[in-house]
Amino acid sequence: DAGITQSPRHKVTETGTPVTLRCHQTENHRYMYWYRQDPGHGLRLIHYSYGVKDTDKGEVSDGYSVSRSKTEDFLLTLESATSSQTSVYFCAVGGYRVNTGELFFGEGSRLTVL
Amino acid sequence: EDQVTQSPEALRLQEGESSSLNCSYTVSGLRGLFWYRQDPGKGPEFLFTLYSAGEEKEKERLKATLTKKESFLHITAPKPEDSATYLCAVPPEGGSEKLVFGKGTKLTVNP
Repeated sequence: DAGITQSPRHKVTETGTPVTLRCHQTENHRYMYWYRQDPGHGLRLIHYSYGVKDTDKGEVSDGYSVSRSKTEDFLLTLESATSSQTSVYFCAVGGYRVNTGELFFGEGSRLTVL
Repeated sequence: EDQVTQSPEALRLQEGESSSLNCSYTVSGLRGLFWYRQDPGKGPEFLFTLYSAGEEKEKERLKATLTKKESFLHITAPKPEDSATYLCAVPPEGGSEKLVFGKGTKLTVNP
């Protein structure tokens, strides 16, 4: 257990509203990631962070922003949610063993945009 | 272009019926290939890291192998509790601290 908490776990919102998902970790891992998982596409990287205030884009970053003001928290924001952003969002963390591919994933946040 | 392709998409086995899952990759200069297991409603869980052709890793009924173009996850005498989606992942070219995942193989083992 890498001490990862995602909130909220479930959210239903309407098109055009802002949404923020939070990932909290208790193990002081350096790297934090946001992935989305959709049928037919698998897991796709949205954004990741390699330190406080250090973030970079993944393969599907359009429409998303992130912030990391503390080691333990990584926020994913949808400024204006669209139906195409309906998905399951997973936070992952990686520490000194990140180059071994060993990431620890949260339980996921299911977002439905109506 | 997909860097990681997994096959089959789904596999049904009877308990005790051994089989293999495939993961092929197109990344040049591979810096590792990683296998994960994902149970329904859960996040993926790390299983193995493979670095070089010929390398093998084992865990209970699972054995992962690696060649220059693909990896296999062999499941020997599976049990119903092995039912899950198995994902493989590689670091993309130019980045070793993030992973590109395949779409997964959903394995169902019937008792």
